[in-house]
Amino acid sequence: AQSVAQPEDQVNVAEGNPLTVKCTYSVSGNPYLFWYVQYPNRGLQFLLKYITGDNLVKGSYGFEAEFNKSQTSFHLKKPSALVSDSALYFCVPGSARQLTFGSGTQLTVLP
Amino acid sequence: DAGVIQSPRHEVTEMGQEVTLRCKPISGHNSLFWYRQTMMRGLELLIYFNNNVPIDDSGMPEDRFSAKMPNASFSTLKIQPSEPRDSAVYFCASGRGYEQYFGPGTRLTVT
Repeated sequence: AQSVAQPEDQVNVAEGNPLTVKCTYSVSGNPYLFWYVQYPNRGLQFLLKYITGDNLVKGSYGFEAEFNKSQTSFHLKKPSALVSDSALYFCVPGSARQLTFGSGTQLTVLP
Repeated sequence: DAGVIQSPRHEVTEMGQEVTLRCKPISGHNSLFWYRQTMMRGLELLIYFNNNVPIDDSGMPEDRFSAKMPNASFSTLKIQPSEPRDSAVYFCASGRGYEQYFGPGTRLTVT
């Protein structure tokens, strides 16, 4: 079984500052982890995934995430936030067949 | 590619009426997913197909909901009869492998 926790419902960051959206996982076996983003009034977009290989995963729009096995974390990061990054972010455990979405973290980037 | 196409984008109907939502997946994708998103329950997987065959419909709320995928380029989600509690945004997603690509959604309002 796979599950994740996003400990923060809301994250606020100033434009230009680095941002982190936290995710910890609990899985049996090898984890498959994804980050998706939902912009206001739009569908979800795939950002990046960790299946196997390098622990540092680079994704769309300048985002990256580091798979940390010892801390069971998969935090999403970006070195310099943009106002347009404001959205709902989902850390998702899954497989090729199914993704299990939680409630996500609302990121607000303040100008 | 145009991405996942959903129609209609908005649907307003009266309780008791039949509602049909349509989805055209991305060409070449062999998996198709129907999700429902509400403020109260978040994003829920209703059903998914692989190679046009329904694999898991355990998320379908009740018998009023049905989904079909007659060919690789078209799927429908039908609600009959509709109820006010069915009001939500319904997303279709398609995928090949581990990534899913979401359509813009259909906002359904049942009065």
